[in-house]
Amino acid sequence: DGGITQSPKYLFRKEGQNVTLSCEQNLNHDAMYWYRQDPGQGLRLIYYSQIVNDFQKGDIAEGYSVSREKKESFPLTVTSAQKNPTAFYLCASTDRGRAYGYTFGSGTRLTVV
Amino acid sequence: DAKTTQPNSMESNEEEPVHLPCNHSTISGTDYIHWYRQLPSQGPEYVIHGLTSNVNNRMASLAIAEDRKSSTLILHRATLRDAAVYYCILRDWRYGNKLVFGAGTILRVKS
Repeated sequence: DGGITQSPKYLFRKEGQNVTLSCEQNLNHDAMYWYRQDPGQGLRLIYYSQIVNDFQKGDIAEGYSVSREKKESFPLTVTSAQKNPTAFYLCASTDRGRAYGYTFGSGTRLTVV
Repeated sequence: DAKTTQPNSMESNEEEPVHLPCNHSTISGTDYIHWYRQLPSQGPEYVIHGLTSNVNNRMASLAIAEDRKSSTLILHRATLRDAAVYYCILRDWRYGNKLVFGAGTILRVKS
């Protein structure tokens, strides 16, 4: 079955550490996205990529970095510069330039300890 | 980014239809209207989308006003599994296909 796989489901990070969240899709989608969700809030866009080797900052990119070396993969690194990283992180993908819906992964819950 | 306005919460009885409204008065001609729903601790799930005409699928119907400044998501027979946060979003394919999420509508379904 096609879909998006996010791993790990739960992640604990010590203050000052960088951590990388994985996002893999086998839908052959061009565009991929990272969102952050805080409790009781809507989703906020961190980074997005429309094609391989290209990505753009979203609304809250500070303290995060991404790469897009392969079409199917879009990992997100939460750096030590992100002051409040505890949140639910969601990855999504869609066909670029078409009126298709997004497919979301099941999310990674990151907690700073 | 064009904005949408939704009620904070709505309540429905099981087995009854539910009409979830959304206002998008600044919609542009290239914006598609998308609806997603999210259960607790899960990623959003695509429900339906449309441009100008009303749309139906196995999950719901989308009624779009003639001037496109508002739309309504219709769940024909609400079940307890439909209790979720519903997001109405405008997607402009010209600008990175970004989806900008608002707070959404919390739908509660009573048995």
